[in-house]
Amino acid sequence: DFQMIQSPSSLSASVGDRVTITCRASQDIANNLAWYEQTPGRAPRILIYGASISHSYVPSRFAGSGSGTDFTLTISSLKPEDAATYYCQRYSGAPLTFGGGTKVEIK
Amino acid sequence: QVHLVQSGAEVKAPGASVKVSCKASGYNFPTYAIHWVRQAPGQGLDWVGWINTGNGDTRYSQRLQGRIILTRDTSASTAYMELSSLRSDDTAVYYCAIWGGYCASGTCGTGGPFDYWGQGTLVTVSS
Repeated sequence: DFQMIQSPSSLSASVGDRVTITCRASQDIANNLAWYEQTPGRAPRILIYGASISHSYVPSRFAGSGSGTDFTLTISSLKPEDAATYYCQRYSGAPLTFGGGTKVEIK
Repeated sequence: QVHLVQSGAEVKAPGASVKVSCKASGYNFPTYAIHWVRQAPGQGLDWVGWINTGNGDTRYSQRLQGRIILTRDTSASTAYMELSSLRSDDTAVYYCAIWGGYCASGTCGTGGPFDYWGQGTLVTVSS
């Protein structure tokens, strides 16, 4: 079974901290990796696709990197509004598997 | 402007079926495949399947194969997800979603990712 392993499952950081979330695919997925942000009670919102391409509305403090099996989402300087759960997703082939999510809390 | 508007919350008994709708607007309906994703309370995102809104082809998660049917009504620009033999662990918010990139011809986006999402429909399975 194809898997996306995301870590950590949760983290607590202070405003201004650099935060890194990782996602590992069980098979090579090239750069077919997206990152989503979800706040409670709302649908997810896509932040990044193609592993590193940010949508225009995404603040520059968010950056995606990686290819093949190992990927990273970095928030360079955490802000209070970044409190959310972040998911990676393999796309371009079924099943379009999500990682388990990383809940980011602000200290 | 793209909008995906889903039907309202449902409460169903175990063993029953549920049908959730997703009405699309702001684009030509057959342009993008519609995907379904579910999220159990307090849990992560789980891809359910997609329907090619042009020709009706479908692809389902192995986990739900045999219990799920995706359909569409192109005249109403609406997609439907029907889940049968409901169990308590089917309790979840169900989302429809589409890719929104450039599509040269035919129906695009069976591979995702998901640029636009519906508001979600809570399906509760309880006796």
